[in-house]
Amino acid sequence: DTGVSQDPRHKITKRGQNVTFRCDPISEHNRLYWYRQTLGQGPEFLTYFQNEAQLEKSRLLSDRFSAERPKGSFSTLEIQRTEQGDSAMYLCASSVDYYEQYFGPGTRLTVT
Amino acid sequence: GQQLNQSPQSMFIQEGEDVSMNCTSSSIFNTWLWYKQDPGEGPVLLIALYKAGELTSNGRLTAQFGITRKDSFLNISASIPSDVGIYFCAGQGDRDDKIIFGKGTRLHILP
Repeated sequence: DTGVSQDPRHKITKRGQNVTFRCDPISEHNRLYWYRQTLGQGPEFLTYFQNEAQLEKSRLLSDRFSAERPKGSFSTLEIQRTEQGDSAMYLCASSVDYYEQYFGPGTRLTVT
Repeated sequence: GQQLNQSPQSMFIQEGEDVSMNCTSSSIFNTWLWYKQDPGEGPVLLIALYKAGELTSNGRLTAQFGITRKDSFLNISASIPSDVGIYFCAGQGDRDDKIIFGKGTRLHILP
């Protein structure tokens, strides 16, 4: 069990650029979640997948954000036309059905 | 919307002391979770609680699911330096509901 992995760990980008993050869940986990965390706050839910189906999206997920999980394994989160307000830690978690969620180390995004 | 209130926001304690922190909600939750987060890392699951009144231990950590289902407590006994970090409570209504996180309790241990 290698745990949830995320890549990259850090990303610095200029405002207006597109960025893409990857998450590899624990291998037997069918659910994959994306969260955003800003300084001094707990993680906030963005979206989740059960296998390859995206089942729920938060209102935090503006139309500049898109997430995919094409084969029900790894997932990508893309942010288009980044804004300074997008600077945050983006966390991925996985679980078996609705059981405990296990988090990855996160990708810290800084938009300059 | 649902909100979790965690207290205290931060704690400064001496090594070896016991620690208590809690989480309250205006809504009922059917699952309570406690996570610890170190700087620059993702949260690590400590304890999961599924039944009102349940008391569960994980080493020096003990957590309880409140009878009203609107609160939960986490105790750490005999604190050690590696306990430093941010502790988050999280609640979940129905099993397929999203998890709501509190703002965290930051634990500092004085030498």
